[in-house]
Amino acid sequence: QSVLTQPPSVSAAPGQKVTISCSGSSSNIGNNYVSWYQQLPGTAPKLLIYDNNKRPSGIPDRFSGSKSGTSATLGITGLQTGDEADYYCGTWDSSLSEGVFGTGTKVTVL
Amino acid sequence: EVQLVESGGGLVKPGGSLRLSCAASGFTFSSYSMNWVRQAPGKGLEWVSSISSSSSYIYYADSVKGRFTISRDNAKNSLYLQMNSLRAEDTAVYYCARSRLVGSGLDWGQGTLVTVSS
Repeated sequence: QSVLTQPPSVSAAPGQKVTISCSGSSSNIGNNYVSWYQQLPGTAPKLLIYDNNKRPSGIPDRFSGSKSGTSATLGITGLQTGDEADYYCGTWDSSLSEGVFGTGTKVTVL
Repeated sequence: EVQLVESGGGLVKPGGSLRLSCAASGFTFSSYSMNWVRQAPGKGLEWVSSISSSSSYIYYADSVKGRFTISRDNAKNSLYLQMNSLRAEDTAVYYCARSRLVGSGLDWGQGTLVTVSS
């Protein structure tokens, strides 16, 4: 059972913006960096955001991350059909001494 | 370029054992913590285990503690997961993932499928 909660799905038209929330607690998001992953159908996850708001090289600035307290948010602007995928947040839980992932959010481009 | 190539997956009966391997290249393997993450069919990501660069720190999810053992061979640039007493609920794609040197974030391999079924 995931300790980080995400909405099951979000959707928007091409060119629009979506945001995905990730809710946790003081033992995970509240005191550790958050990362975000994109999983296209049938492929391995790919790192989108690390250290709450940093993008690896090659990730377009349409993707952004933020964190406030015990929640984190992924934003995708200028939505494209190629952005249809599952998105997961992840962090470390200091109380459990375990890595934890969010429940996952499916992004649909209408 | 970071490359992580998993192998060793397959079909195994409940109660059986399997050893997964992950061959790393394109970076200084001995400097990085490494992880195993799994994904059951149609389900989300589940962290399984982590090992520090020198194997000094090892962590397991409660769901696999006492049954799985993570290890690494820095001379061979390889990560391993020994899985014993396998159960149907261990059926999943298992991913090898590299932690960033500082802070958060994982870089992933392509995964290997483990199926536990009689």
